[in-house]
Amino acid sequence: SQQGEEDPQALSIQEGENATMNCSYKTSINNLQWYRQNSGRGLVHLILIRSNEREKHSGRLRVTLDTSKKSSSLLITASRAADTASYFCATDSPSGSARQLTFGSGTQLTVLP
Amino acid sequence: NAGVMQNPRHLVRRRGQEARLRCSPMKGHSHVYWYRQLPEEGLKFMVYLQKENIIDESGMPKERFSAEFPKEGPSILRIQQVVRGDSAAYFCASSPMEGGTEAFFGQGTRLTVV
Repeated sequence: SQQGEEDPQALSIQEGENATMNCSYKTSINNLQWYRQNSGRGLVHLILIRSNEREKHSGRLRVTLDTSKKSSSLLITASRAADTASYFCATDSPSGSARQLTFGSGTQLTVLP
Repeated sequence: NAGVMQNPRHLVRRRGQEARLRCSPMKGHSHVYWYRQLPEEGLKFMVYLQKENIIDESGMPKERFSAEFPKEGPSILRIQQVVRGDSAAYFCASSPMEGGTEAFFGQGTRLTVV
């Protein structure tokens, strides 16, 4: 799989349920970020977790990072129909001369009312 | 403080024409990144610029694509002699510094080559 690969590719849940999305990556990272993209729109930054952090919360979002397994998870609690979107993880590698984000192909989340 | 502004939002070009995409970073941000998103895929890095300098263009196709970020004015992504395969959404992001901070994205320019 490529750097920043999300799993599952698509997820459909009922409103009020929790949604969990996973991301795996290959190389060492500075930090990992999660973004949301509504259909046909730009990306909205959700949360950044640094490589020395294990868990971070923001409202209904909870992100974990396991650098030993090179994986991260995004949990959205008490989902709402408005959470329907594509979710991408992006990694920021310490290697190389410039900062660039490497994105996975995303998880399409559908929250049914 | 306005966010990252991209224009146009939608651009239609015939094969062989030139496409110019503009990006104004957030106020105070001197780092600009361009990404391309093909349908049903994630974003792919193209180029990273600071004012008047191209820092990393490892994701840019070798031909027909160029980018600049002049001292004054927006960053420009230029695609010459467009082909159907250039049809995609092009996103610009900016950040105040390199590394360790979130990048803020614009709404994107959707290029359609007919």
